[in-house]
Amino acid sequence: KQEVTQIPAALSVPEGENLVLNCSFTDSAIYNLQWFRQDPGKGLTSLLLIQSSQREQTSGRLNASLDKSSGRSTLYIAASQPGDSATYLCAVMRKLTFGKGITLSVRP
Amino acid sequence: ETGVTQTPRHLVMGMTNKKSLKCEQHLGHNAMYWYKQSAKKPLELMFVYNFKEQTENNSVPSRFSPECPNSSHLFLHLHTLQPEDSALYLCASLGLAGPSYNEQFFGPGTRLTVL
Repeated sequence: KQEVTQIPAALSVPEGENLVLNCSFTDSAIYNLQWFRQDPGKGLTSLLLIQSSQREQTSGRLNASLDKSSGRSTLYIAASQPGDSATYLCAVMRKLTFGKGITLSVRP
Repeated sequence: ETGVTQTPRHLVMGMTNKKSLKCEQHLGHNAMYWYKQSAKKPLELMFVYNFKEQTENNSVPSRFSPECPNSSHLFLHLHTLQPEDSALYLCASLGLAGPSYNEQFFGPGTRLTVL
């Protein structure tokens, strides 16, 4: 059974800091991994999708990497801003499985 | 309208009521999903439809009844719900070809409260 873990559950950083959010999964036989952002009470917004054949994807200040063999992905956020405050979730696809998410708070 | 839309955005119902949630996607996708999101728990996949056919039912109680009349529309019919069914219900669609291959796009969700 696939399990997706995101640690820590919550993170608070000062504005401007570069940060890394981690996601680990137990079964490396995945089709892809997707990172999402969720604002309180809202739906999920897709940030980055990494297909299983890819190692990383970039969009603006965000960079996501994938290491299937070790069952890990990281989401790197450069120069964090208060507007980045949200819950970040990763999900792996073969049997769709989500992590519980990391709630990020960026202090001005 | 673009992306994935869900109506209503908020719903309060009694345990004896019957209501329906609606999801519509404008992305030309062929797979649609219902998820339940409760506080402090990971997203729970409820149902999967591929090309209008239900391909997955994750042991969801029969008081939740999905319907997919075509590739763009997905419904979740609710009856005799319990207070513990109160949650955010999210719909997603997924591209099965092209640049968004296997990428999920979510709607804004319906916040359901069962009294």
